[in-house]
Amino acid sequence: QVRLVQSGAEVKEPGASVKVSCRASGYTFTGYYMYWVRQAPGQGLEWMGRINPNNGGTNSAQKFQGRVTMTRDTSISTAYMELSRLRSDDTAVYYCARLNIAAAISGFDCWGQGTLITVSS
Amino acid sequence: YELTQPPSVSVSPGQTARITCSGDVLSKQYGYWYQQKPGQAPVLVIYKDTEGPSGIPERFSGSSSGTTVTLTISGVQAEDEADYYCQSADSSGTDVVFGGGTKLTVL
Repeated sequence: QVRLVQSGAEVKEPGASVKVSCRASGYTFTGYYMYWVRQAPGQGLEWMGRINPNNGGTNSAQKFQGRVTMTRDTSISTAYMELSRLRSDDTAVYYCARLNIAAAISGFDCWGQGTLITVSS
Repeated sequence: YELTQPPSVSVSPGQTARITCSGDVLSKQYGYWYQQKPGQAPVLVIYKDTEGPSGIPERFSGSSSGTTVTLTISGVQAEDEADYYCQSADSSGTDVVFGGGTKLTVL
């Protein structure tokens, strides 16, 4: 079945970087954009950016430009999101979610389980 | 882009719940709805304003009018208690927006 499995929770100090992985299975990895969405404790969903696994092309929300780097390794069907210069307000659960490239109107039909990133000194 | 949802909606079991989402982008782009239960990832329940993904109960439906999309849950069950988020995007999908979320309470 279609699955997105993310890496485990991490605790980071302010100013550090964190890299979250999202391993896809059960579908053609290059057929779907991978989006990254985060959710601060008790808050709503916030879009961060996306990567096209075919060519590695990325787009990010203006808020995160310059701090977020998205990459992929097609040989292992895995997408990565790295966030740098972490601050305490980056504490959140980070999700990956897929979107069909050929049918973008289909919505985010599969999400990873989420990765809790805690930023604390 | 901005999407506005009511913070909370309450209904009794068996009644109909309606959750609205308003924003100018919805007059040009589709709306989507996600259900999120505590400690879980969001789940798509409506796409393209009115379509239900396979596996989603038929009591979940969507509608659209002008700059507002509405999620309707008919015959609400206790298991439907969750946060619901609407979402849309620009035509290229590179500017995604979520509503603030609505907490559905089943009394």
